[in-house]
Amino acid sequence: QVQLVESGGGLVKAGGSLRLSCAASGFTFSDNYMTWIRQAPGKGLEWLSDISTSGSYTKYADSVKGRFTISRDNARKSLHLQLNRLRADDTAVYYCARVFCSSTRCHGYYDHWGQGTLVTVSS
Amino acid sequence: QSVLTQPPSVSGAPGQRVTFSCTGSSSNIGAGYDVHWYRHLAGRAPQLLIYDSTNRASGVPDRFSASTSGTSASLSISGLQAEDEGDYYCQSYGNSQGLFGGGTKLTVL
Repeated sequence: QVQLVESGGGLVKAGGSLRLSCAASGFTFSDNYMTWIRQAPGKGLEWLSDISTSGSYTKYADSVKGRFTISRDNARKSLHLQLNRLRADDTAVYYCARVFCSSTRCHGYYDHWGQGTLVTVSS
Repeated sequence: QSVLTQPPSVSGAPGQRVTFSCTGSSSNIGAGYDVHWYRHLAGRAPQLLIYDSTNRASGVPDRFSASTSGTSASLSISGLQAEDEGDYYCQSYGNSQGLFGGGTKLTVL
């Protein structure tokens, strides 16, 4: 079955960096767009970034553009999010999710999610 | 402040019907982008409930239904059960970015 397992979260000081990873299994990773979504404490879900199947096309939320970088390694079936210049308001659980893709196109919804990894930024 | 607006809470007794609203704009829902719905329980991965505005995801009972009209969308649950409690989020796209509503907490009385 489809599994997504995030790792790399932890405690970091403001201004620091972290690299999150998401290990995928149970499906042909290179066939799907992937995304990162987060949830800050007491807040709702926030979309962060999408990446295309080849990695050549990426999109970012305004709140993280220029600080976060999404990437993927299809050979290793892994998704990554590089978090730079972290701020206290980046404290959140970070989820990776699979974008559903049919044989003809990728749709705009997330059919499988990981359990999340917690990032805590101290000020 | 989320671009998609959801009421913070909804409640209902077992067996009742509840409806969640999701209000967007001409830049997202009103532009024709599909709306999708998720349930999120604390400490767990969010679960897809409805995709492409009206379609139930695999394993979701037919007590769940959804619709879209103009710049808004709604999700309804009939025959409310205690296990339906959780946070419900609408999701769409607009201005080349993914969008989530702020979420609605469902309490089963």
